[in-house]
Amino acid sequence: AQSVAQPEDQVNVAEGNPLTVKCTYSVSGNPYLFWYVQYPNRGLQFLLKYITGDNLVKGSYGFEAEFNKSQTSFHLKKPSALVSDSALYFCAVRDPTSGTYKYIFGTGTRLKVLA
Amino acid sequence: DGGITQSPKYLFRKEGQNVTLSCEQNLNHDAMYWYRQDPGQGLRLIYYSQIVNDFQKGDIAEGYSVSREKKESFPLTVTSAQKNPTAFYLCASSINRRASTDTQYFGPGTRLTVL
Repeated sequence: AQSVAQPEDQVNVAEGNPLTVKCTYSVSGNPYLFWYVQYPNRGLQFLLKYITGDNLVKGSYGFEAEFNKSQTSFHLKKPSALVSDSALYFCAVRDPTSGTYKYIFGTGTRLKVLA
Repeated sequence: DGGITQSPKYLFRKEGQNVTLSCEQNLNHDAMYWYRQDPGQGLRLIYYSQIVNDFQKGDIAEGYSVSREKKESFPLTVTSAQKNPTAFYLCASSINRRASTDTQYFGPGTRLTVL
């Protein structure tokens, strides 16, 4: 069965410091992996995705994520955090061999960037 | 959020009433999805539709119904059978081509409160 875990409910980081939001997954095939961000009372905004190829994926707003197959992880990173990055972040996985177009979402990690 | 609209933004309902949430997209996407978001639980799939006049139950379909009569529209009805309907509801769509990586794009959401 597909699953995704975001082990931290909240991550606090000082402005200007690097940030990491963790995500691990479990699928039977090769995964499609996604990161989304949600601001209060808004829908989810797509940040980036990994399908195949280079393990380091660059996305919107300076975010990037590294796919690590041996550790089944897809951590979101940014070299220098901004206060405006404070939001709720969701990791999602899709198994393209599952025969469905369903995503499985993690429970979300709240990022707080402190000025 | 561009390309997918949800209305209304806030909705109040009395117990025992059915209510319909609207979702419209102008992205020419084949697939559409409804999710429910509760605090600390991430997103849970209610229903999805990969093509007009066809839809499938997601993980928590009980107490909900949908229709897909037009490609652009995927309304969700929350019936009186739904025991705990107060939540944030998100609609999403994706291209749904077999060869695509099928990124889902989200609307701004509807917050439903049962009084």
